[in-house]
Amino acid sequence: AQSVTQLDSQVPVFEEAPVELRCNYSSSVSVYLFWYVQYPNQGLQLLLKYLSGSTLVKGINGFEAEFNKSQTSFHLRKPSVHISDTAEYFCAVSGVGNTDKLIFGTGTRLQVFP
Amino acid sequence: DTAVSQTPKYLVTQMGNDKSIKCEQNLGHDTMYWYKQDSKKFLKIMFSYNNKELIINETVPNRFSPKSPDKAHLNLHINSLELGDSAVYFCASSSSGAESYNEQFFGPGTRLTVL
Repeated sequence: AQSVTQLDSQVPVFEEAPVELRCNYSSSVSVYLFWYVQYPNQGLQLLLKYLSGSTLVKGINGFEAEFNKSQTSFHLRKPSVHISDTAEYFCAVSGVGNTDKLIFGTGTRLQVFP
Repeated sequence: DTAVSQTPKYLVTQMGNDKSIKCEQNLGHDTMYWYKQDSKKFLKIMFSYNNKELIINETVPNRFSPKSPDKAHLNLHINSLELGDSAVYFCASSSSGAESYNEQFFGPGTRLTVL
């Protein structure tokens, strides 16, 4: 079984500042890792995913994440945030396999201030 | 073009009523899911169907009954609605092929409010 921990429930940051949203996972098998974003009153949209290969993954809207197997982490970063990045961010893990379910973290609310 | 659509977007109803939420995907996927997002934004899977067959059934009251008439549709019927059923319900779909990596595509959600 897999589990995901997002330690920060809220991250306030000023516009144009860098941000890191933390995600740690637990699994006894190989995993796929995902970050999803949920804008207010909308569904979830995939930001980026790690499947294999390069540990640095680039996604949409200038976000990137780094897979660290030894620390079982998949932190999300952006060097300069915009007001429009204000949203809920979810880290998710799936065991390698065709029908494994996605296990979501509890989410991190990113609030960008002007 | 909407990839995963849900109807209705909002649903307000009284306790004890029976209601249904519909989901359709036009991505050609063979696996569909229902998730419940509570007031604290926690997302939890409820059901998963692959090729119209139930493959995941988490600990969900049997008042909730999913139905998949074909691979493109997964509906959720809820009997005897309770206050605690108030939440946002998300439908999602994915391909079970080797190249899918379980990447799931989500619908816009249905906000259910039980009074």
